[in-house]
Order: sequence, then structure tokens, then C-alpha cells
Amino acid sequence: GQQVMQIPQYQHVQEGEDFTTYCNSSTTLSNIQWYKQRPGGHPVFLIQLVKSGEVKKQKRLTFQFGEAKKNSSLHITATQTTDVGTYFCAGQRYSSASKIIFGSGTRLSIRP
Amino acid sequence: KAGVTQTPRYLIKTRGQQVTLSCSPISGHRSVSWYQQTPGQGLQFLFEYFSETQRNKGNFPGRFSGRQFSNSRSEMNVSTLELGDSALYLCASSNGGTDTQYFGPGTRLTVL
Repeated sequence: GQQVMQIPQYQHVQEGEDFTTYCNSSTTLSNIQWYKQRPGGHPVFLIQLVKSGEVKKQKRLTFQFGEAKKNSSLHITATQTTDVGTYFCAGQRYSSASKIIFGSGTRLSIRP
Repeated sequence: KAGVTQTPRYLIKTRGQQVTLSCSPISGHRSVSWYQQTPGQGLQFLFEYFSETQRNKGNFPGRFSGRQFSNSRSEMNVSTLELGDSALYLCASSNGGTDTQYFGPGTRLTVL
């Protein structure tokens, strides 16, 4: 079945350092979404990528969707303590009626 | 708009019992998805309901079931509880298709 793999599982960085998490799907995706879950909270939508090779930015966050629409990345520049949490990618295959499969998440912790 | 609400927020049950969890989606949203979140397994998709019909299903045993009512509210039922069912159960609503998943705060189920 469809799988969405995410690496690394954990990342511990010094405040101010950059952070990147990678998401890979075993199948071509129609779109990919990214979510952030703060400790003790629930996942919150960050962004959706739909087009091949798409790049979107939100302040210090840069999201990319691969040309083959099978991989994606989230890069955070100059991390801050507010970036702490688990970042999930979620891919959807085929049609809009197909289920959304979440990656295993990358937990980001930051040393002040 | 009010967000996704889930009740109860916390639940303690013993092995062999059954439990029903409730989710009220954002007004106007017709899709409700259920996820199980555990520290070791991440976010696992249970099922999605759209306009009272189960549209997608994950790889969970038949002990896990759900339904959706005409007002889009959804319930999830777990019968014959096992220790391994202890988890945070999250529901998410959307307009359907590729739209953003809006998550509720979750119900934390503990099985003793």
C-alpha cells in the first residue's frame, strides 16, 4: 500500500541553526500537506503543495514539492524556540476522494 | 467559526469494555476523518466519513467502527478494548477532497 516516509525522526538543534525534514512517498502524490503539532497539542495545518516542483515560503519556513511529486521537504531557517514541535507531512494519492496518509513525523527540539 | 470539538477529552476504561468517542466538525464541513496517535506509531488513519458514508478505511481491526450523522457529527466506537488501544484519538474535518484537515483537540483514551 501507499507509504509516506519521513526523516529524520528526531532533530535537536541549537537555536539559530537551520532545520530540514524530508518526506518521501512510494507513489506519486496529487498533493502534499504539512502540519505542525506542538507538545500536548493537535496537528495544525501549515501549507499545501500541489504542483510539481512547487516552492512556497512562510516567513522562515520553505516548503518544496519534488518534480516527480513523490517527495517534499520543509526547511526552517534560523530556528527559534517557538518552532519546537513535531512536523508531519501528509500525502494524498490520485483523486480528491482518496485518503490522506501521514508521515511518521519529525520531532524538533531546540537548545536555547 | 467554531473549531472541531471532541468529547470526552479524557477517558479511562478497562480491558474488554467498549467506548464511544464523539466528534463535531466545523460547520459546513462534510468530511470527518479519525486518527489514532501513539508515541511509537505516529498518526494512523482509521477511517473517513463523507456525507454519512465511509469513504476510506485504514488497516485497523473490525473492533474499530464509526458512523456519521446527517449533521456531519461523527462517532467512533471501539469494542473489546485492549491495552494497546491506549492512545490519543484525533478527528479532523474538512470540506472534503484536498482541503485542509482541521483537527480537534483529541480524546485521550487509557485502557487499564
